[in-house]
Amino acid sequence: EDQVTQSPEALRLQEGESSSLNCSYTVSGLRGLFWYRQDPGKGPEFLFTLYSAGEEKEKERLKATLTKKESFLHITAPKPEDSATYLCAVLGGTYKYIFGTGTRLKVLA
Amino acid sequence: NAGVTQTPKFQVLKTGQSMTLQCAQDMNHNSMYWYRQDPGMGLRLIYYSASEGTTDKGEVPNGYNVSRLNKREFSLRLESAAPSQTSVYFCASSEQDRGRVGSSYNEQFFGPGTRLTVL
Repeated sequence: EDQVTQSPEALRLQEGESSSLNCSYTVSGLRGLFWYRQDPGKGPEFLFTLYSAGEEKEKERLKATLTKKESFLHITAPKPEDSATYLCAVLGGTYKYIFGTGTRLKVLA
Repeated sequence: NAGVTQTPKFQVLKTGQSMTLQCAQDMNHNSMYWYRQDPGMGLRLIYYSASEGTTDKGEVPNGYNVSRLNKREFSLRLESAAPSQTSVYFCASSEQDRGRVGSSYNEQFFGPGTRLTVL
């Protein structure tokens, strides 16, 4: 059964304090691992797609990496505006997306 | 380009009432999805439509029906609302051409959500 587990559930950082969010997954026939950002009261916003182990993608202060069992979202020198819930999802051979429960990130000024 | 739009934004129903949530996308995407989001549960797939004219059940389809009216529109109907259906509902779309695996075909784009309360 396809499954996604995200950790930690919540994370508080000081502005400038770098850290990483984890997404562990099991899926048969990975067709993509996706990271989304969700602000309160809004729909998820697409950030990255990763397809194969070793792949990396970057956008501003965010960098996503992928291994055969997990993905990391690295946040370098975060700012308060990076505060949000970050969601991870996988798409496998069933063509159904499986989402994790997310990591709530709070960056303090 | 409006992306994915949903109506209504908020709705309060009484147990047993029915309603339809509307979703439309203007990106010419093949696939559309309905999710519900509950605290601590993450996004769960209710129904999806891989292409115009097809629909399939997701993880939590009981109590819901869907219609893929055309390529742009995908509606979700609650025939007899129950308090357990209190949730935030999101519609999403993706190009997802199953014949190809590439960097952009499987990205999902979400609407702003409908917040539904069933009393």
